[in-house]
This record gives sequence, C-alpha cells and structure tokens, in this order.
Amino acid sequence: AQSVSQHNHHVILSEAASLELGCNYSYGGTVNLFWYVQYPGQHLQLLLKYFSGDPLVKGIKGFEAEFIKSKFSFNLRKPSVQWSDTAEYFCAVTPNTGTASKLTFGTGTRLQVTL
Amino acid sequence: GAVVSQHPSRVICKSGTSVKIECRSLDFQATTMFWYRQFPKQSLMLMATSNEGSKATYEQGVEKDKFLINHASLTLSTLTVTSAHPEDSSFYICSARLARGNYGYTFGSGTRLTVV
Repeated sequence: AQSVSQHNHHVILSEAASLELGCNYSYGGTVNLFWYVQYPGQHLQLLLKYFSGDPLVKGIKGFEAEFIKSKFSFNLRKPSVQWSDTAEYFCAVTPNTGTASKLTFGTGTRLQVTL
Repeated sequence: GAVVSQHPSRVICKSGTSVKIECRSLDFQATTMFWYRQFPKQSLMLMATSNEGSKATYEQGVEKDKFLINHASLTLSTLTVTSAHPEDSSFYICSARLARGNYGYTFGSGTRLTVV
C-alpha cells in the first residue's frame, strides 16, 4: 500500500518569503501525485497534480511542484508567499492504475504567513 | 464543472441516534465515491470506497455496521452514522474521481458532525 510523508507540520513565513513544503511517498509502482489546499473553514481544493510528462508541474496561485522519481518526492514551492496563502496543505498519492484508486493523504502542513 | 455537493454541512445529534450524510455529483456521474474522516488538525483518513450498485469497501478498522454506505445511483452516495457516540464527532468529507478528462478528484465541502 502507498503512504505519504509530510515532514513539515507547521511552517511560519513572512510575506514575500519563499516556500518549499516537503512530500515523500512510498509505493513500488507508477503514481499520480497531488497537492491540495484547505483554507480555514473551506473544503479541499486542488493546487496541482502530476500524472506523467514534465516533472515540473505548475498549479494555481503561483504554486509549482517537482516530481523527483529517484527521491520519491513531490515538493511544493512558491517563490513569494502571500498572507492569503495561510492554509493547510496536503500532499496525496494514488497508484496510476487508470481506475478509481483511492487517494492517500499526508498528515498535512499548516502554513502561516505573517504580514 | 465536476462539483460534488455534500449535505448537511453541520449536524448536531444526540448520542444513540443516527445521522445521514449525502454526497451528490452535480454535473457528472460518479461510479466511485470515497468517504473520509478528518480529525482536528489531522489529515484525511479514508474510511471507505463507495461503489455504485455494489457494497462499499471499508478500510481496516472502520466498522461497516456503524458507518453504513449506500451508493444507489450514479450521482448519490450516502453515509449513515448509526447509534452515534461523542467519539464519532468529526469532519466527514466525500470525494469522487472523474472517470473522464484528467481523472482528477473533486471533494465535497464536508460535514461537521457533533454528537452530544
């Protein structure tokens, strides 16, 4: 079975600082990878996803993530965070089987951006 | 497109009663839906996979007699928490995977269940 590790549980940054959130997964086969964001009081929203092709994926709101297969990693980055990026960020993985495979989530990273 | 509507958003019930949560795919057909539970400041834990027209597949440790799942149509899955206890208080989220296009997942807005 697959698993996901997010080592940063709580990150505090000042506005305009650069962000990198770590995500490592464990699975022996091909995977699909996702980053979701959950703003306070709101439901999960997809930031970006990787299925195949270019390992550098660009998502919404200036976020990007890089899939490094050799490291089993899919770290999320943003060059300059804003106060509105304060939220919980979840990395998720599913086997690339082409069917409705279940998503496995990491424990999440709480990002707090200060003014 | 690809919206999942979850209802109710909040519910408070007494111990021993049952609560039904609905998850509807509004503009697409979802043969498979997923039910998650999220504890405060924790990640989403998959409870079960709901399959249209067949029995749900429960994750290890999830009581299927307590968390009844029905997926009677291609647009509706329900989760019924039976004989609810305070420890069942949590945030329940449903999700569906698109069977076309980019095969992404879409999530409902969640249901905050409080058992008193």
